[in-house]
Amino acid sequence: AQSVTQLGSHVSVSEGALVLLRCNYSSSVPPYLFWYVQYPNQGLQLLLKYTSAATLVKGINGFEAEFKKSETSFHLTKPSAHMSDAAEYFCAVGAMDTGRRALTFGSGTRLQVQP
Amino acid sequence: EAGVTQFPSHSVIEKGQTVTLRCDPISGHDNLYWYRRVMGKEIKFLLHFVKESKQDESGMPNNRFLAERTGGTYSTLKVQPAELEDSGVYFCASSQGLVIQETQYFGPGTRLLVL
Repeated sequence: AQSVTQLGSHVSVSEGALVLLRCNYSSSVPPYLFWYVQYPNQGLQLLLKYTSAATLVKGINGFEAEFKKSETSFHLTKPSAHMSDAAEYFCAVGAMDTGRRALTFGSGTRLQVQP
Repeated sequence: EAGVTQFPSHSVIEKGQTVTLRCDPISGHDNLYWYRRVMGKEIKFLLHFVKESKQDESGMPNNRFLAERTGGTYSTLKVQPAELEDSGVYFCASSQGLVIQETQYFGPGTRLLVL
């Protein structure tokens, strides 16, 4: 079984400040991990994914995430927030070895960027 | 290349009525998934098609939900009869089918409100 916990349903940062969105996962098999973003009135867009290659993954729009197996974490960061980053962010985990392709999502974190 | 499209974008129905949601995956994608997000909670997996076959329907909540993918192209998700707790956003996603950890591309979702 797999699960994802996103700490903080709402995060507010100032423009130019560091963005840190937390994701912890639980998986009995090697995981693959995703971060998706949903802008208002749009679908989910892939930000980045981890598939057992490099533990530091770079994505679009300046975001990156680091897979830490010892901490079962996959936190999303961006050095400097922009107003356009305001959106809802979802962490998701899939199971590498089971053959199932269903993703398990966290409950989402809504990022607010203050001017 | 067109992305995943879903129709309708919004649907408001009364309890007991029937609603049919449609999803058109990215052309050439063998895998099609349905997910839903109820009441601002986490996005949950419903089922997975490979071409026209149901590969995994472990997330379907009950027999009021019927998914089809005739000819392995577009898919429909019918809810009959709809209940209040079925309200939420229904997402469709597709992937090409080459490797298990490949990206699932999501559509904009159908927002269903059951009154």
